[in-house]
Amino acid sequence: AQSVTQPDIHITVSEGASLELRCNYSYGATPYLFWYVQSPGQGLQLLLKYFSGDTLVQGIKGFEAEFKRSQSSFNLRKPSVHWSDAAEYFCAVGSYNTDKLIFGTGTRLQVFP
Amino acid sequence: DAGVIQSPRHEVTEMGQEVTLRCKPISGHNSLFWYRQTMMRGLELLIYFNNNVPIDDSGMPEDRFSAKMPNASFSTLKIQPSEPRDSAVYFCASSDMWTANMNTEAFFGQGTRLTVV
Repeated sequence: AQSVTQPDIHITVSEGASLELRCNYSYGATPYLFWYVQSPGQGLQLLLKYFSGDTLVQGIKGFEAEFKRSQSSFNLRKPSVHWSDAAEYFCAVGSYNTDKLIFGTGTRLQVFP
Repeated sequence: DAGVIQSPRHEVTEMGQEVTLRCKPISGHNSLFWYRQTMMRGLELLIYFNNNVPIDDSGMPEDRFSAKMPNASFSTLKIQPSEPRDSAVYFCASSDMWTANMNTEAFFGQGTRLTVV
């Protein structure tokens, strides 16, 4: 069965610092991987996605993520965090042979000035 | 396209009452998902449809919950009778099917915040 683990429930960083949010997935077939962001009171917005090809994918708002099959990971990174990046971030996994989309429990990012 | 539209945005109801949440997916999308978000459990997939047919409802908590998709442009999630523990934000999302378009993504509605008192 598909599953996603986001080990960090809450992360606090200073504005301008680098950021890495962890995501590990479990799925027997080739996964499709996504990162979404949710601002307070809002729905989810897609940051980036990986289906195949280059394992380093670029997304919106300066985010990137790297797919590492050997580690079953898809960590999200940003070199310099802005105060507006404070939000909740969700990793999700799907697959070519099922339309099921499973989310991790999320990581809440707090940014200090 | 206006995106995925959910109604109502907020619902407050008394325990035991029937609650119906509505969703209009993006035109042309043939997958539709219902999720429930709580602090304790995060985002749980309740059910999803492909081409209006329920494919996996293993996430539906119990028989009090039911979902329908009578046509490609409308879906409902019903809770009858409602209980306080059903209080959560319910999201609807739609997408193409990965099997048809591997470069797709799920688009989310704004959610319905349900409070059962």
